[in-house]
Amino acid sequence: KAGVTQTPRYLIKTRGQQVTLSCSPISGHRSVSWYQQTPGQGLQFLFEYFSETQRNKGNFPGRFSGRQFSNSRSEMNVSTLELGDSALYLCASSFDRGYADTQYFGPGTRLTVL
Amino acid sequence: DQQVKQNSPSLSVQEGRISILNCDYTNSMFDYFLWYKKYPAEGPTFLISISSIKDKNEDGRFTVFLNKSAKHLSLHIVPSQPGDSAVYFCAASSSNTGKLIFGQGTTLQVKP
Repeated sequence: KAGVTQTPRYLIKTRGQQVTLSCSPISGHRSVSWYQQTPGQGLQFLFEYFSETQRNKGNFPGRFSGRQFSNSRSEMNVSTLELGDSALYLCASSFDRGYADTQYFGPGTRLTVL
Repeated sequence: DQQVKQNSPSLSVQEGRISILNCDYTNSMFDYFLWYKKYPAEGPTFLISISSIKDKNEDGRFTVFLNKSAKHLSLHIVPSQPGDSAVYFCAASSSNTGKLIFGQGTTLQVKP
């Protein structure tokens, strides 16, 4: 079974630009969660999508948004990029909901904001 | 507000010895706990989990212990192997919110 895939793997943007990251979950998985990993902060939860609906949201500003398509693929968008948005963005999928379901992570997208 | 804390940024052990990674949490509503391992340039991979109705779960060389009164969980790896060298994250969630909250991670180095 193919794992979670994320594209692109690496991205360099400048302040003020916007960026869209893509995540394809494991086939059959309906829940997709997004996380931001920065040094010293660990993995911070951004949001979770289930059946095209945002089910949970972390404490991030509105510049961070996402969506999920009918095939469970998900995109994350960050508008008006700031230097502090430089991070590894990980998505994870699970069969049902994130809670009590094992989440399977993709390799991440490394975003650098200059 | 760090609800899940891993106070040791790093740990170094000899091959064959026991590795003990610790994690503390503050939210008493957490009822499911997990450990993930992460190698550089890869996403975290699931290791082992435990429900709050248990105090121990074992899977091969990995055992997770949960002390609810102390709001503390630990991961024991016995015997440790060089391939175990990675960053270990503990995570917690509750049926109320469904959010998975991660600690900052502990880097384990197992020396041959």
